[in-house]
Amino acid sequence: QKEVEQNSGPLSVPEGAIASLNCTYSDRGSQSFFWYRQYSGKSPELIMSIYSNGDKEDGRFTAQLNKASQYVSLLIRDSQPSDSATYLCAVNLDDYKLSFGAGTTVTVRA
Amino acid sequence: DGGITQSPKYLFRKEGQNVTLSCEQNLNHDAMYWYRQDPGQGLRLIYYSQIVNDFQKGDIAEGYSVSREKKESFPLTVTSAQKNPTAFYLCASSILINTGELFFGEGSRLTVL
Repeated sequence: QKEVEQNSGPLSVPEGAIASLNCTYSDRGSQSFFWYRQYSGKSPELIMSIYSNGDKEDGRFTAQLNKASQYVSLLIRDSQPSDSATYLCAVNLDDYKLSFGAGTTVTVRA
Repeated sequence: DGGITQSPKYLFRKEGQNVTLSCEQNLNHDAMYWYRQDPGQGLRLIYYSQIVNDFQKGDIAEGYSVSREKKESFPLTVTSAQKNPTAFYLCASSILINTGELFFGEGSRLTVL
């Protein structure tokens, strides 16, 4: 079983719509969760971190965490063409290693 | 400007050759990491270092070696023992080892001819 799983996509959404990305993890002891954005051919950049159950909003991005169900999600509101990228979910395991999912590719249609 | 510099951006290697990828950071971060990314896969940890003169194997360390002689520098050597070295290599750093808030360099793309 993979430690971190994401819906593989690709996910295509029209401009202005909400993009919803999901991520599940296997280690119930995981404490911190992250979303990275990676443009094609570029390196990842951190866009959201979440540590406690519930929602965390930052601009057009909302991260949602449910530790009981072992999932974390990312919502992108009012999607823009510049949001077209691969989004990587990452989970911090107890032994200091960050485990990444394979990523979900999002394409925003103008 | 603070950041992480990786070089070279592109590198071609013949089979049987060792190559070294450079990673330098001026963020004053204690922790540094090397990840490998293959198409359609997540990042896999090769090595990480919490402090100078100390480093630990990640999930896929076989065929790789590192050194951490200075806080700013964490070079990765891809040896001939690495059977499938063609990949995108990413160096990252963080303030401390137990945070998932990583800053990445621009990456080095290695191709074996």
